[in-house]
Amino acid sequence: EVQLVESGGGLVKPGGSLRLSCAASGFTFSSYSMNWVRQAPGKGLEWVSSISSSSSYIYYADSVKGRFTISRDNAKNSLYLQMNSLRAEDTAVYYCARDSCSGGSCSLDYWGQGTLVTVSS
Amino acid sequence: EIVLTQSPGTLSLSPGERATLSCRASQSVSSSYLAWYQQKPGQAPRLLIYGASSRATGIPDRFSGSGSGTDFTLTISRLEPEDFAVYYCQQYGSSERTFGQGTKVEIK
Repeated sequence: EVQLVESGGGLVKPGGSLRLSCAASGFTFSSYSMNWVRQAPGKGLEWVSSISSSSSYIYYADSVKGRFTISRDNAKNSLYLQMNSLRAEDTAVYYCARDSCSGGSCSLDYWGQGTLVTVSS
Repeated sequence: EIVLTQSPGTLSLSPGERATLSCRASQSVSSSYLAWYQQKPGQAPRLLIYGASSRATGIPDRFSGSGSGTDFTLTISRLEPEDFAVYYCQQYGSSERTFGQGTKVEIK
């Protein structure tokens, strides 16, 4: 069974830093690109960042570029998001989600339950 | 950047009725890269439809997707009580994955 479990969320002051982790199990982690997607309270989904299976390709939303860094450790089946210079508008539930490309179609087929990040003084 | 606009924002329907949700892209999207997700309160999103029209594993056949180019549709043929939720379309780009703002399907 595919499982994605996020951790590392919490309360942080504006300008602070936080590192999120996503532990993957039930599939060959090193074969899949992975994503971080966030959802501010009462709002819609916002894609944050993606990383390819071997970390060769990394992309960010403009809203986090230069402040957030995505990384992965295939030996540990783990995905990370280092968040620096945090702002109030970064307050959200952060989900990790697996990329799936099958038969020429791509989507995010499995999601974790999310971890809440609150940026407030 | 491709912008996805969903309509309506809220759909008020009764169980048993048909729901039709729209997703319009600011520029053409390959059908292979258009997906739909369902999200219930306090839960993570769940993949419903990928490749614009293929149902994900375990998704009932009352859910169907269609469309091409810039206009895509998610149809729920007969609403069940568990279908009242928020639905998002998403495009899978070469360097980004963009979501629409969501359509809430609520009980009338």
